[in-house]
Amino acid sequence: DAKTTQPNSMESNEEEPVHLPCNHSTISGTDYIHWYRQLPSQGPEYVIHGLTSNVNNRMASLAIAEDRKSSTLILHRATLRDAAVYYCIYTNAGKSTFGDGTTLTVKP
Amino acid sequence: EAGVAQSPRYKIIEKRQSVAFWCNPISGHATLYWYQQILGQGPKLLIQFQNNGVVDDSQLPKDRFSAERLKGVDSTLKIQPAKLEDSAVYLCASSLGAPRGAYEQYFGPGTRLTVT
Repeated sequence: DAKTTQPNSMESNEEEPVHLPCNHSTISGTDYIHWYRQLPSQGPEYVIHGLTSNVNNRMASLAIAEDRKSSTLILHRATLRDAAVYYCIYTNAGKSTFGDGTTLTVKP
Repeated sequence: EAGVAQSPRYKIIEKRQSVAFWCNPISGHATLYWYQQILGQGPKLLIQFQNNGVVDDSQLPKDRFSAERLKGVDSTLKIQPAKLEDSAVYLCASSLGAPRGAYEQYFGPGTRLTVT
């Protein structure tokens, strides 16, 4: 089963960077790591994904450990609109498994 | 570009009744997913289609749930008969493809089902 481990909750202050960790110790060498986030009463929203190298897009950065057993989603300046549940997943044998994610609270 | 469309948005039924949900994926997306999300939990994959073939339905309760994807585009998920524990949000997602997760998934707004 492609299960990841994330902290249940994290807090951040507005305008500060946030580092959301994820462990995926059973990932294989060709499986991509994806991050999604879900705001209340909405479907999950794609944030970023990567394979081996660190990745950047307009929403966030993804730092992948050299052994690929963990990754970190980086929000460079958290805003109140970033308050959501963040899910880290990877695909194993064509199947992705969502855990319960990390609930991010952003304080003004 | 239009997103993933789902209908209805809300449905309330009594136990033992039937219900159907409809999903229209993003145009050109070969892979379609149905997820069940119970309050406070992450989405749980029920079934994954690649075009109109089933790739994974290992977590679909086949005695009561069925899904089809006609012509590799729209999809319908049916529950018959419904149980109280089926109360959840049913999410549809689509992606260009699914080789080892190289492509991101786009989710619809979901259908909130309440079984009384």
